[in-house]
Amino acid sequence: DAKTTQPPSMDCAEGRAANLPCNHSTISGNEYVYWYRQIHSQGPQYIIHGLKNNETNEMASLIITEDRKSSTLILPHATLRDTAVYYCIVSGAQKLVFGQGTRLTINP
Amino acid sequence: GAVVSQHPSRVICKSGTSVKIECRSLDFQATTMFWYRQFPKKSLMLMATSNEGSKATYEQGVEKDKFLINHASLTLSTLTVTSAHPEDSSFYICSGRVFPETQYFGPGTRLLVL
Repeated sequence: DAKTTQPPSMDCAEGRAANLPCNHSTISGNEYVYWYRQIHSQGPQYIIHGLKNNETNEMASLIITEDRKSSTLILPHATLRDTAVYYCIVSGAQKLVFGQGTRLTINP
Repeated sequence: GAVVSQHPSRVICKSGTSVKIECRSLDFQATTMFWYRQFPKKSLMLMATSNEGSKATYEQGVEKDKFLINHASLTLSTLTVTSAHPEDSSFYICSGRVFPETQYFGPGTRLLVL
């Protein structure tokens, strides 16, 4: 599975949009981009995933560049409860390999 | 999203004893389940892939005789930590795969071996 690169930490003000970048320059054509988040001492929570097209659900939007080498997760109106570690994972096979993720802190 | 439960949520045991952790998919059938472990301030590490009715596939470096995995039904997988030692203390998390490509995770089980 392709490797991803994420900034180790980010801050965002409550109520603003949080934009989390992810680089995956070695992604293969059949690999999806997944985003999960983990709040302290809990199991990871699925957020969204996509293959080529941009995706949106009730939690977030996923923007994938045309060459698929990078993507951005957007939380449109961040709240304090969105403080967590966010993982960007690229996978075409069954298993998910977690990197270090981005620790997002939402500030009041 | 799909719901996965784990039991127990936390367990304390004495060194040398065995501990069983259950992972259940509550509202879907999971032909494939995965087991991870996570040390403090570290990322999740995949331990094994469990397929219903067949032997689990372990990641490199994970002792299959130490971490016994059974996936007897489409909604239940178990992880047994045999002869547990303090270094086995960790956060164990399972996930179930919803066809075709999404995994949903359980809340985790915190194991402390004294």
